[in-house]
Amino acid sequence: GPKVLQIPSHQIIDMGQMVTLNCDPVSNHLYFYWYKQILGQQMEFLVNFYNGKVMEKSKLFKDQFSVERPDGSYFTLKIQPTALEDSAVYFCASSLQGAEDERLFFGHGTKLSVL
Amino acid sequence: QQQVRQSPQSLTVWEGETAILNCSYEDSTFDYFPWYRLFPGESPALLIAIRPVSNKKEDGRFTIFFNKREKKLSLHITDSQPGDSATYFCAATSGYNKLTFGKGTVLLVSP
Repeated sequence: GPKVLQIPSHQIIDMGQMVTLNCDPVSNHLYFYWYKQILGQQMEFLVNFYNGKVMEKSKLFKDQFSVERPDGSYFTLKIQPTALEDSAVYFCASSLQGAEDERLFFGHGTKLSVL
Repeated sequence: QQQVRQSPQSLTVWEGETAILNCSYEDSTFDYFPWYRLFPGESPALLIAIRPVSNKKEDGRFTIFFNKREKKLSLHITDSQPGDSATYFCAATSGYNKLTFGKGTVLLVSP
């Protein structure tokens, strides 16, 4: 079936550095999402993105976070600067439409470890 | 404040038994409830979903029972198989696929 690819699968960086998490969504999908899962906790919505713009973001989406998808390339989540509490698994997802009953296709996640 | 709660945290059943996974929610505006399943090393994938207009949704061995008054739902897996061993996430949304997830139930089906 359709696949969402996330690169890398694991990233280790020092606190204060910048990190970019990459997501290759399903090719004809138009809506993109990032979710964050701290170890032992639930996946939490960060942001959704459509037509080059952020549609909605949660309170977890700090000012240090940004997302973009330049001209059909990777959908990225950038964190600058990183903090210890940013350590988590970040899941990218995509959907063809943005309707609430639209199936989300998730990637395997990128585990971010901030030291 | 956790908007979607799941219980139990983990569940072990024997092959052939029915596994029952529970979910409850707080927000009355939630009107779509998907269950996602996560196998180790894989990505979460939609398993089955329900809208509150129905109190039951069936798909093969998987059935959701929904109680809108009590804000509760449950996923029943009949004739459980070892291949059903996975983490099951209950989720809810009121729009734009901004899903609110529970913490998940880890199901182990012993042969």
